[in-house]
Amino acid sequence: EVQLVESGGGLIQPGGSLRLSCAASGFTVSSNYMGWVRQAPGKGLEWVSILYSGGSTYYADSVKGRFTISRDNSKNTLYLQMNSLRAEDTAVYYCAKIRSGWCDYWGQGTLVTVSS
Amino acid sequence: DIQMTQSPSSLSASVGDIVTITCRASQGISNSLAWYQQKPGKAPKVLLYGASRLESGVPSRFSGSGSGTDYTLTISSLQPEDFATYYCQQYYSTFYTFGQGTKLEIK
Repeated sequence: EVQLVESGGGLIQPGGSLRLSCAASGFTVSSNYMGWVRQAPGKGLEWVSILYSGGSTYYADSVKGRFTISRDNSKNTLYLQMNSLRAEDTAVYYCAKIRSGWCDYWGQGTLVTVSS
Repeated sequence: DIQMTQSPSSLSASVGDIVTITCRASQGISNSLAWYQQKPGKAPKVLLYGASRLESGVPSRFSGSGSGTDYTLTISSLQPEDFATYYCQQYYSTFYTFGQGTKLEIK
């Protein structure tokens, strides 16, 4: 059974850093496209970053230069390192397994709140 | 990036109604379109991909159609569990994008 479990969210001050983790089971992270999608309170879905199986990465303009997506193959885990956090980064962050472009499995989400 | 515009942004309907939601891309996306359903406090769930292919386990009252830049999600005979927010997502370009969502409410 495929499962994605996110962790690492919380309350952080503006300018701070957080690392989100997404532990996967039931499939191999490194063999799949994986991504992070966020949803600000009361708002729609927004792609944050994608990690392709070959190692290429893509970032939304709003997070480019501040966020880094990566994976640990030995732990079958996806990460999102978030630096220089801003109030507008406040959102629920979901990790997702991507199948040929669409998300077929999602984690439960982890809330990141950026506030002083 | 390819912009995705959904309409309407909200919709009221009754159990048993037929509902159609539209998604328009800013350029042709060759049927590289998925539809998701999201309920409050939950992660989205994929309903259709390839514009019209039903994901395993999704009821057949959900259907999709379209081509080029214009796509539709149709729900025939609305059920109580269908009241939710629906999103389209294109995966034609390198960076995928979502529509802004359509909230389907009970009339």
